[in-house]
Amino acid sequence: NAGVTQTPKFRVLKTGQSMTLLCAQDMNHEYMYWYRQDPGMGLRLIHYSVGEGTTAKGEVPDGYNVSRLKKQNFLLGLESAAPSQTSVYFCASSYRGFHTDTQYFGPGTRLTVL
Amino acid sequence: AQTVTQSQPEMSVQEAETVTLSCTYDTSESDYYLFWYKQPPSRQMILVIRQEAYKQQNATENRFSVNFQKAAKSFSLKISDSQLGDAAMYFCAYRSPTNSGNTPLVFGKGTRLSVIA
Repeated sequence: NAGVTQTPKFRVLKTGQSMTLLCAQDMNHEYMYWYRQDPGMGLRLIHYSVGEGTTAKGEVPDGYNVSRLKKQNFLLGLESAAPSQTSVYFCASSYRGFHTDTQYFGPGTRLTVL
Repeated sequence: AQTVTQSQPEMSVQEAETVTLSCTYDTSESDYYLFWYKQPPSRQMILVIRQEAYKQQNATENRFSVNFQKAAKSFSLKISDSQLGDAAMYFCAYRSPTNSGNTPLVFGKGTRLSVIA
């Protein structure tokens, strides 16, 4: 049971390049989330998904796209990277249930855009 | 929209002593969940403790306990017998009830805790 995994762990991009971050969970969770963490800002929600084939915008969605084609995977895409997207990205997942709401986090991906 | 405020960017505590981290939040909901997460230098987000708003009893997990004041919208974390391994960034977080359709966490900006040997 690996929990929540993220690929890659580190990446350096040049401005304008594209990339996809992969999040995978093996806990059969319905909900999945992408957050970004910047110094002094805490974690902010980018996009989330409440089930396979559904996604929704969070607090800071601009410049990102997501897809949830399989229940266990949640992809975060940057079509044209900008230096402002330099950050640490966290994926999380949780069950859908009134009292089973703990989110489980992946180890994070550190992305630098030059 | 809900907001979470951590007014202490940095705190320090002597080993074996007790420290309290503050958190306040703003919401119009009557039922919700509150969390404290720990983030050590490894960056991994670790759940420390959670509190359901409908429960009046304060949550406790070993050396970690909370003081939940619903009317004051306050949710502080107390760490007793502080250990060197407690040094980390601590985040307070809020979550609406799952069945409301609004499930993501809202985080505070964090408090960096240093433990002095």
